[in-house]
Amino acid sequence: GENVEQHPSTLSVQEGDSAVIKCTYSDSASNYFPWYKQELGKRPQLIIDIRSNVGEKKDQRIAVTLNKTAKHFSLHITETQPEDSAVYFCAASNRNTGGFKTIFGAGTRLFVKA
Amino acid sequence: NAGVTQTPKFRVLKTGQSMTLLCAQDMNHEYMYWYRQDPGMGLRLIHYSVGEGTTAKGEVPDGYNVSRLKKQNFLLGLESAAPSQTSVYFCASSYHGQGKTEAFFGQGTRLTVV
Repeated sequence: GENVEQHPSTLSVQEGDSAVIKCTYSDSASNYFPWYKQELGKRPQLIIDIRSNVGEKKDQRIAVTLNKTAKHFSLHITETQPEDSAVYFCAASNRNTGGFKTIFGAGTRLFVKA
Repeated sequence: NAGVTQTPKFRVLKTGQSMTLLCAQDMNHEYMYWYRQDPGMGLRLIHYSVGEGTTAKGEVPDGYNVSRLKKQNFLLGLESAAPSQTSVYFCASSYHGQGKTEAFFGQGTRLTVV
């Protein structure tokens, strides 16, 4: 079945440094790749997404890149701040005949040290 | 506009008991999903629905049943709870269309089976 692998599982950076999280997906039919942020005890919330017809997208301090040939995509956070500390999930969706199913990576716990 | 609401927020069950988790959304979304979240395993799709009256299996459907009798509600049932079903359950919904396909999550239900 479809699979999304996410690395690293834990990432610790100093405030102000950059953080990069990488994901690979198995289903070549995937065409939508969202990233979610989940703070402790809260629900996951979308922070940025990218579609398969775009190679890169940026929103202030966060950016996503997509390499469809290699089937991998990455999240980049620049100038990290303590409030960026959370679990980040990548996901890939497969718009099949009957529906729209999203498969999530296992998550990356990001610690930003002040 | 409440978004996605799950009930209950917490529940403790004895092995073999049954229960139903209720998810309600007021955004007129076509798609609804049930995920379980376990440490180190991210969000795994249990079942999903692409519209009223239709359901489909996700990655980990065994031991669960679902129903979508009304567009705004998606019910997750456990007929005979097992300790392996101890988890945090998230419901989500999304719009089906050309625009954003972001999934909106409920606040989660923490279920413990003893």
